[in-house]
Amino acid sequence: QQQVKQSPQSLIVQKGGISIINCAYENTAFDYFPWYQQFPGKGPALLIAIRPDVSEKKEGRFTISFNKSAKQFSLHIMDSQPGDSATYFCAASSTGGFKTIFGAGTRLFVKA
Amino acid sequence: EAEVAQSPRYKITEKSQAVAFWCDPISGHATLYWYRQILGQGPELLVQFQDESVVDDSQLPKDRFSAERLKGVDSTLKIQPAELGDSAMYLCASSPGLGADLGYTFGSGTRLTVV
Repeated sequence: QQQVKQSPQSLIVQKGGISIINCAYENTAFDYFPWYQQFPGKGPALLIAIRPDVSEKKEGRFTISFNKSAKQFSLHIMDSQPGDSATYFCAASSTGGFKTIFGAGTRLFVKA
Repeated sequence: EAEVAQSPRYKITEKSQAVAFWCDPISGHATLYWYRQILGQGPELLVQFQDESVVDDSQLPKDRFSAERLKGVDSTLKIQPAELGDSAMYLCASSPGLGADLGYTFGSGTRLTVV
């Protein structure tokens, strides 16, 4: 129940294309869903986050779509650029509890 | 921009030896986390501090791992004795307070290789 399942493991996208990464969770107590971006040799950095009271959040080229009934959420990267090549982690936590559970990660490669 | 400092960046140690990692969180951040990230996997929480107190160490292998944050500022994670399976990236993160929605700032990590 504590797991966050993330897919795909890896993704190759052409420059200018849309990258889509999906995550699913079981624990209905989760109420905060961040995405982190990690470059090689660096720690993860918070990219964008959403709460389940909204179905979509957009920040620049990055959009989170949230489906509360299906317990799924996804990250869409529009107009993908080579500089977006990184590993992306979805995560989930509950405001009452303090632990953040991370997905296994998706390695994105954007071809120039 | 404020950063979480970690040292060393890389550490190679023989199995059964002791190893220690250090973390200096962002100034004023009361909450400090140690995560372990095995290659190809997401970070897993080892221990969480609020000031100098442990909030959650349920996933810390206490027979060989210890963590402290004596003055509620910087923190040390120790492994003794190290085992081959401990090879991983050890990440420190800090946050202004409890509550995951405050967002974490991660350091660049310590890459540990046990040979």
